[in-house]
Amino acid sequence: AQTVTQSQPEMSVQEAETVTLSCTYDTSENNYYLFWYKQPPSRQMILVIRQEAYKQQNATENRFSVNFQKAAKSFSLKISDSQLGDTAMYFCAFGDTGNQFYFGTGTSLTVIP
Amino acid sequence: KAGVTQTPRYLIKTRGQQVTLSCSPISGHRSVSWYQQTPGQGLQFLFEYFSETQRNKGNFPGRFSGRQFSNSRSEMNVSTLELGDSALYLCASKLGGIESYEQYFGPGTRLTVT
Repeated sequence: AQTVTQSQPEMSVQEAETVTLSCTYDTSENNYYLFWYKQPPSRQMILVIRQEAYKQQNATENRFSVNFQKAAKSFSLKISDSQLGDTAMYFCAFGDTGNQFYFGTGTSLTVIP
Repeated sequence: KAGVTQTPRYLIKTRGQQVTLSCSPISGHRSVSWYQQTPGQGLQFLFEYFSETQRNKGNFPGRFSGRQFSNSRSEMNVSTLELGDSALYLCASKLGGIESYEQYFGPGTRLTVT
């Protein structure tokens, strides 16, 4: 079975600064997908960014980018120019070839004005 | 296009009772997955339904069951409720094909068991 570990339960960052959220995973599969989801307080979970394991290039979506290290089984999320609206719980997730998803326990990010 | 909807949004039940939660996926999505979210545990996968068939199942006791209808709407049932079942139950829908990995989540049903 796959496991996803987020070792930072809580983090904070000053507005306009950059923050990196860590995620490691364990799998014996070679093909899979990795995701970062954002869950703002009392609001719906939304997809932030995704990475296909067969792609070497790191995914980027505006201010969000990932550092995907396949050999190290590491998938960190970098948020640049942090905004107050980035305050949320962030979940790292692994999607296997059987269409099953595994989530980490989340990192609560607070952006400080 | 309307998003994923879940009803009810909040529910309070007593130990020993049973509960049914409903999820309507995005139009055209044939896969619906259910998750249990609790503080400190993150999201735990319950099961996935695709074209009215359970395609995947997580490690939850048999008290947790589900089904999917021909219009892709899904229901989740929990029988003999326990205090530990208090959680936010999320459903997520996606197209459902082999290469469809992008899930869209509903707002969740907050279940409180007293």
